[in-house]
This record gives sequence, structure tokens and C-alpha cells, in this order.
Amino acid sequence: GAVVSQHPSWVICKSGTSVKIECRSLDFQATTMFWYRQFPKQSLMLMATSNEGSKATYEQGVEKDKFLINHASLTLSTLTVTSAHPEDSSFYICSARGSGRTSNQPQHFGDGTRLSIL
Amino acid sequence: RKEVEQDPGPFNVPEGATVAFNCTYSNSASQSFFWYRQDCRKEPKLLMSVYSSGNEDGRFTAQLNRASQYISLLIRDSKLSDSATYLCAVYTSGTYKYIFGTGTRLKVLA
Repeated sequence: GAVVSQHPSWVICKSGTSVKIECRSLDFQATTMFWYRQFPKQSLMLMATSNEGSKATYEQGVEKDKFLINHASLTLSTLTVTSAHPEDSSFYICSARGSGRTSNQPQHFGDGTRLSIL
Repeated sequence: RKEVEQDPGPFNVPEGATVAFNCTYSNSASQSFFWYRQDCRKEPKLLMSVYSSGNEDGRFTAQLNRASQYISLLIRDSKLSDSATYLCAVYTSGTYKYIFGTGTRLKVLA
């Protein structure tokens, strides 16, 4: 099945640090990737939709200058949390949707990145 | 009203029981529907897509009711390993994004 790789899986760093998370589709081309955040015991919250070769579309309330998204190729999207603070600590998960024409394309998730800001 | 709603549970059932979850959606233009399973502190994993005519995969059966705007997941002969949170996801092509429900927690008890 489709594989999405996310790296790193765990990050612990000091407040004010910028953290970059990579999301790769390993065996398919992903024209669209999604970035989610999940706080403990809560649902996945979509942060932004990343489209290859164009600007990401951010959900309401998500600061685009704080969460920088780059989707430079069909297999890689990156999320950079700039100047991270303790309230940014969360589980960040990327997903990728294949480039097939049918609308019934599921998305496949990376392993997630657990970010802890001290 | 939330776009996608699920009963958060938990549903506590004994091994071998049959359990069903529903997920309602508000956008009648939604096209594609999926069930995911998420274990604690892990990423969601696709369980099955939901097709208009309903579909079955082993002990799992998914159905779609467009008229009432809900999807369902039925698990037969529950196993301890089925304990997880089950998330429904709805894709609407006009929005180009997937909306997830909050998930339903299932605990299968020995």
C-alpha cells in the first residue's frame, strides 16, 4: 500500500527554536499533502493543504508566518514551525493524497511528529 | 453544527460482541467517505473506504446512507486488538480537503 514517511518522529527543543518536519510519499506522487495537528484526546485538526508548486492553503486561525509550508516536489512537503513556544507542543501529522483521477482516493498518513517545546 | 460528527464513546464491549458506530456529515455534496483506526499516540491508519453500495472486509462492514447523511461501521466478533479510536473522514471535492470526526473510542474487554 501507499507509504508516507515523516521525519523526525520526536523533537524536544527549547522555546524560540524553529523546527522543520518533512513528509515524503515513498511510492507514489502526491500532488496534495495535508498537515494536521492533534492535541491529546482531541481530533485531528487540519492546519493547511499543501499543493505541489503552489502556495499552501491555510485553515482559519492558523498563522501562515508561523507554520511555513513548502511543497517543492511531488514527493516532499515540509512544515517549519518557526520560533516554537510551549503552546506549539503537539502531535503533527502529515498525509498525502495520490494523484489518481477518481474522487475516492483515501489519504495516507505519515507516522507523525511529536513536538515538545520546553 | 460540526461538519462531521461522531459519538466519542467510549464503547465498552465484551470480546465477540458486535458493535456499530455512526458518523454524520452536514455537507450533502460530500463525495468520498473513509474509516480510519487510530491507536493511542499513533497516526491514523486507513481501515476501509466506504462505497455507495456498502462494502465488507472480513469482520468489518461499512455502509453509506446519503439520504440521511451518515456512514456506519460494523465490527463483528470483536477482538481485544480492535480496541482503538475509529475516525470517520469525509472528502468534498469542492473544498479539496478531508474533514475528520472526533473519533469514537472502542474498548473490547476480555
